[in-house]
Amino acid sequence: QKEVEQDPGPLSVPEGAIVSLNCTYSNSAFQYFMWYRQYSRKGPELLMYTYSSGNKEDGRFTAQVDKSSKYISLFIRDSQPSDSATYLCAMSAQGGSEKLVFGKGTKLTVNP
Amino acid sequence: GAVVSQHPSRVICKSGTSVKIECRSLDFQATTMFWYRQFPKQSLMLMATSNEGSKATYEQGVEKDKFLINHASLTLSTLTVTSAHPEDSSFYICSVSRAAYEQYFGPGTRLTVT
Repeated sequence: QKEVEQDPGPLSVPEGAIVSLNCTYSNSAFQYFMWYRQYSRKGPELLMYTYSSGNKEDGRFTAQVDKSSKYISLFIRDSQPSDSATYLCAMSAQGGSEKLVFGKGTKLTVNP
Repeated sequence: GAVVSQHPSRVICKSGTSVKIECRSLDFQATTMFWYRQFPKQSLMLMATSNEGSKATYEQGVEKDKFLINHASLTLSTLTVTSAHPEDSSFYICSVSRAAYEQYFGPGTRLTVT
């Protein structure tokens, strides 16, 4: 079993839809959970990070962490064509200089 | 956030030659930088952790003699792919760790070995 599992998609939705992206993990030591957005041929861009369980909201984006189920989610409301990208979840056991473990990424297309 | 640059953005080299990739932290001093490799439709795989003023820490399966890392200053880390082969063709990305929970990535370097 891989440490972090993420459905690669692809996921295609109409503009304005609510998008749900998910990752599961097996390492109970993970405490920090991040979501990155990566456009084609570019480096990943940090969207949100969460420590331990709970929800965090930033504009149209909401991150949720359920440590009891080892399951994290990213919701995108009112999706826009500009949200079309690959979304990667990442986790670490410690913050700061601790190395990240990434999911494979989910490729999202938002159709106008 | 943090601003990270990489140079070059794309490079094509012949098999057997060496290629150097630079990673710069433009707006703060980074004691730690990370080097990742990403194959098409695959996730980022950590290659090594670069520590300013000391030897890099390599992940299991990464040849330290092939992927030379130098972190000579708080704003610059370099990755040299020595004796490159076609299987080394990949997207190489560096990152810096600014604060707890936050890693910021460079734009990446696409290496093609012919």
